Amino acid sequence: AQKITQTQPGMFVQEKEAVTLDCTYDTSDPSYGLFWYKQPSSGEMIFLIYQGSYDQQNATEGRYSLNFQKARKSANLVISASQLGDSAMYFCAMREGALAGNTPLVFGKGTRLSVIA
Amino acid sequence: EAGVTQFPSHSVIEKGQTVTLRCDPISGHDNLYWYRRVMGKEIKFLLHFVKESKQDESGMPNNRFLAERTGGTYSTLKVQPAELEDSGVYFCASSPQVSGANVLTFGAGSRLTVL
Repeated sequence: AQKITQTQPGMFVQEKEAVTLDCTYDTSDPSYGLFWYKQPSSGEMIFLIYQGSYDQQNATEGRYSLNFQKARKSANLVISASQLGDSAMYFCAMREGALAGNTPLVFGKGTRLSVIA
Repeated sequence: EAGVTQFPSHSVIEKGQTVTLRCDPISGHDNLYWYRRVMGKEIKFLLHFVKESKQDESGMPNNRFLAERTGGTYSTLKVQPAELEDSGVYFCASSPQVSGANVLTFGAGSRLTVL
């Protein structure tokens, strides 16, 4: 069974608008961490934001916020005020087990975001 | 601070040949990981080093793949002999001693094309 599901292969957003990239996950472990990475055309995977399963508040990092809905097992990434430089591939990932653990990251297939001027 | 460096960025080889990919992690990072993305599929875990020791190699597809991390610094991933299905992008990532979220820093990947 797929652990991380990203249902949007591609998304378009107008510059300066907000966009939500969907991510749902599947785990029976009460301890887990959720991550979002950005991969621009240069290929490097850039860490954006992290949410722990026990965190009470949604994570935020600048223009990035994570809409964490535990009961629905969703961890959507919200990018506010989109910029042309936000055009990239975005990957949602999860690590199960102890929050400081070493279990491998499990990735979704990614969503390609295109920002239009 | 230099990031994770991978070499080569792109390699094109014939089926049956050998390829060696190299990863230089961030200095001082004990943890080094290899992941692979085959076209159109998810990024999949291959293995994890802690210093020079293999902590987890459960994702290695078969014995044609050999990873080493001599001295606990850089790592190599050798594919011998390469098959068509080995084509993809091989990512290396590193992190300091595991604590908190254990955020991995990834390199830009090595794209392998097997013809």
